[in-house]
Amino acid sequence: QKEVEQDPGPLSVPEGAIVSLNCTYSNSAFQYFMWYRQYSRKGPELLMYTYSSGNKEDGRFTAQVDKSSKYISLFIRDSQPSDSATYLCAMSEGAGGTSYGKLTFGQGTILTVHP
Amino acid sequence: KAGVTQTPRYLIKTRGQQVTLSCSPISGHRSVSWYQQTPGQGLQFLFEYFSETQRNKGNFPGRFSGRQFSNSRSEMNVSTLELGDSALYLCASSLEGLTPQHFGDGTRLSIL
Repeated sequence: QKEVEQDPGPLSVPEGAIVSLNCTYSNSAFQYFMWYRQYSRKGPELLMYTYSSGNKEDGRFTAQVDKSSKYISLFIRDSQPSDSATYLCAMSEGAGGTSYGKLTFGQGTILTVHP
Repeated sequence: KAGVTQTPRYLIKTRGQQVTLSCSPISGHRSVSWYQQTPGQGLQFLFEYFSETQRNKGNFPGRFSGRQFSNSRSEMNVSTLELGDSALYLCASSLEGLTPQHFGDGTRLSIL
């Protein structure tokens, strides 16, 4: 079983819809949680970065972390065709030992927003 | 501020050859991490360098190696290439090895 599970989709929604993406994980040592967006032929772009449990909002994007359930979510409001991309969740343990510089990723969810 | 730069963008090699990939981190970032991305396995951590020292390593064979220079630029080397090494190799930099990491656009390596 993978440390981080993410539904690969694909997910297709109409423009203006609210999109919900989520990941579950098994490693209770994860403390930092990220969402990246990756367009075709490009590297992942950092969208949201949160520490421990709670919510964080940035424009149309809201990230939620529930450490007790080992579950994280990304919500996209008023989705646009330009949001069509692969969305990757990523996690890390924090400082020290074998955690330096290491992100553990989900498989990615392919999202298409059609006009 | 310039982002993470990876060169070359594309490479074609044959089995048994070796290859060197280059990564220039964001100015001021001292930590460089490398990842392999394939359709089947997704993004997998290769190793991380900080101040010219490898601090962390993923579960890849010894054919995969790297180094970091005093200006924080990093190179990754793969020797005795195999067909299964075909992948997108991504480099990411951060200030000190903790998140957030910022990625380059990768080097697409194809093995014939």
